[in-house]
Amino acid sequence: DAKTTQPTSMDCAEGRAANLPCNHSTISGNEYVYWYRQIHSQGPQYIIHGLKNNETNEMASLIITEDRKSSTLILPHATLRDTAVYYCIAEYGNKLVFGAGTILRVKS
Amino acid sequence: DAGVIQSPRHEVTEMGQEVTLRCKPISGHNSLFWYRQTMMRGLELLIYFNNNVPIDDSGMPEDRFSAKMPNASFSTLKIQPSEPRDSAVYFCASSLDRVNSPLHFGNGTRLTVT
Repeated sequence: DAKTTQPTSMDCAEGRAANLPCNHSTISGNEYVYWYRQIHSQGPQYIIHGLKNNETNEMASLIITEDRKSSTLILPHATLRDTAVYYCIAEYGNKLVFGAGTILRVKS
Repeated sequence: DAGVIQSPRHEVTEMGQEVTLRCKPISGHNSLFWYRQTMMRGLELLIYFNNNVPIDDSGMPEDRFSAKMPNASFSTLKIQPSEPRDSAVYFCASSLDRVNSPLHFGNGTRLTVT
């Protein structure tokens, strides 16, 4: 599994887009980029994943650079309920290793 | 779909006692994972199963920890004897046995060993 680097914390205003960056410069060709989040005292929740192409679902969008060395998770209209720790993982297969993640605080 | 079900939600026990944590994966999922979360070490993968068979237990900290999956709908994580440093939140997750299949986590068991 490739090492990922994320900022320790970020703030975002409610209703604005939250853009969470992740560096994975050593990612290999078959490793996917996964994003999960963990709201206080709950289990981690799957958000989205991708390999090469940008992806979008009902929760978020994932933008992966052409060289695949970094990606950005976008929450288009952040709400207070999006306050959580966001984990970026680069992995092949479903044996996921979680790092420290980014604490996202959405403020009113 | 009820999701991954873990029990108990909270467990408080004394050092030296045996502790058993339980997990019911999502029906149809054939991969099951046990994670432990502490402030100091974050989320750690302890062990995972495919089709009820343990595939990788390299994350199991010591022989005091053991995990079983007797059938597709039930798994246990046992600590015997328990120690205060085992205090943590233990999460179970399940997924389909397929590359890039998302993991679905339970709400965890908060274990306190005094």
